[in-house]
Amino acid sequence: DTGVSQDPRHKITKRGQNVTFRCDPISEHNRLYWYRQTLGQGPEFLTYFQNEAQLEKSRLLSDRFSAERPKGSFSTLEIQRTEQGDSAMYLCASSGGPDTQYFGPGTRLTVL
Amino acid sequence: GNSVTQMEGPVTLSEEAFLTINCTYTATGYPSLFWYVQYPGEGLQLLLKATKADDKGSNKGFEATYRKETTSFHLEKGSVQVSDSAVYFCALRNNAGNMLTFGGGTRLMVKP
Repeated sequence: DTGVSQDPRHKITKRGQNVTFRCDPISEHNRLYWYRQTLGQGPEFLTYFQNEAQLEKSRLLSDRFSAERPKGSFSTLEIQRTEQGDSAMYLCASSGGPDTQYFGPGTRLTVL
Repeated sequence: GNSVTQMEGPVTLSEEAFLTINCTYTATGYPSLFWYVQYPGEGLQLLLKATKADDKGSNKGFEATYRKETTSFHLEKGSVQVSDSAVYFCALRNNAGNMLTFGGGTRLMVKP
């Protein structure tokens, strides 16, 4: 069991650029979640997939954000036209059922 | 809506001291409750959980009891170690949903 992995671990970009992050869940988990964590705060839910279907989206997920899980395995989170306020840690989690979520190490995004 | 309130940190203790980190919640129905821990430079790890009233979650010497009457899930440890220094997050998952709602986190610093 290799756990949840995320790539890249760090991303520095200039305002207005697009960025894409990848999450690989634990292999047998059919549920995948994205959260955002800003410095000194707890994680905030962004979106949830069950297999390839995106079933929940937070109002935090503006139209510049899009997430996919095309084959029900890995997922990508894209942010278009990044803004400085997008700087945060983006966390991915997976679960095999409704209860315990296992988190990856996160991708830290810095928008200059 | 759902919300979780934790005591603000940092909490600074000497090794072998008793630890309490308070957590209260607001939720509809009967949520599941969790404590996650984030060690420096690492991702969120599940510490313990409780899924119904009066359940006690325990792990690594930490305990928390699900108190429905006081809507609380306080984290306790009888004797902390330097290695327990981390940020602790209380979270809930409403049984009607899939997302976790986190508190703001409490930083614990244990001095030798």
